[in-house]
Amino acid sequence: KAGVTQTPRYLIKTRGQQVTLSCSPISGHRSVSWYQQTPGQGLQFLFEYFSETQRNKGNFPGRFSGRQFSNSRSEMNVSTLELGDSALYLCASSRQPVRTAQETQYFGPGTRLLVL
Amino acid sequence: QKEVEQNSGPLSVPEGAIASLNCTYSDRVSQSFFWYRQYSGKSPELIMSIYSNGDKEDGRFTAQLNKASQYVSLLIRDSQPSDSATYLCAVNNNNDMRFGAGTRLTVKP
Repeated sequence: KAGVTQTPRYLIKTRGQQVTLSCSPISGHRSVSWYQQTPGQGLQFLFEYFSETQRNKGNFPGRFSGRQFSNSRSEMNVSTLELGDSALYLCASSRQPVRTAQETQYFGPGTRLLVL
Repeated sequence: QKEVEQNSGPLSVPEGAIASLNCTYSDRVSQSFFWYRQYSGKSPELIMSIYSNGDKEDGRFTAQLNKASQYVSLLIRDSQPSDSATYLCAVNNNNDMRFGAGTRLTVKP
């Protein structure tokens, strides 16, 4: 069974640009969560999508947005990039929303974004 | 107070020893607890989940949960150099998943 896939794996952008990252969950998984990981802040929750609806959102500015398609694939977009957006962006999938008891998340390989 | 707290380490143990990793959480309603292993430059990999008080064993790994003390731990027996990684504690507080900052473990040959 294929795992979670993310594209692209690496990305270099300049300040002010925008970026779109893609995540394909494990087959049968309908929930996709996005996280930002940096050395200083650790793993921080961005948002979760289930059945094409945003279920939960972390404490990030409106420049960070996402969406989910009918096939459960998800994209996240960051507009007006800042230097501080350089990070590893991880998506994780699960069958049901994360809040479901005993629900387990599986992570993709991540997209490493560098903003210059 | 952070929602999920772990000692950042680094924790260094000799090969063959038992490594003990600890995690405390603040939200009493939390029901599901997970340990992920993350190698440098890689994504987190699930190694254990635990939902009930007590111990859960899987090979060389044992997870321990004490909901009254809001404490969850991971024991790694017969530690190997390949166990050297950062271990993340994750807690499902019935709203979302919260992660600790991770404990970096080094197993020395």
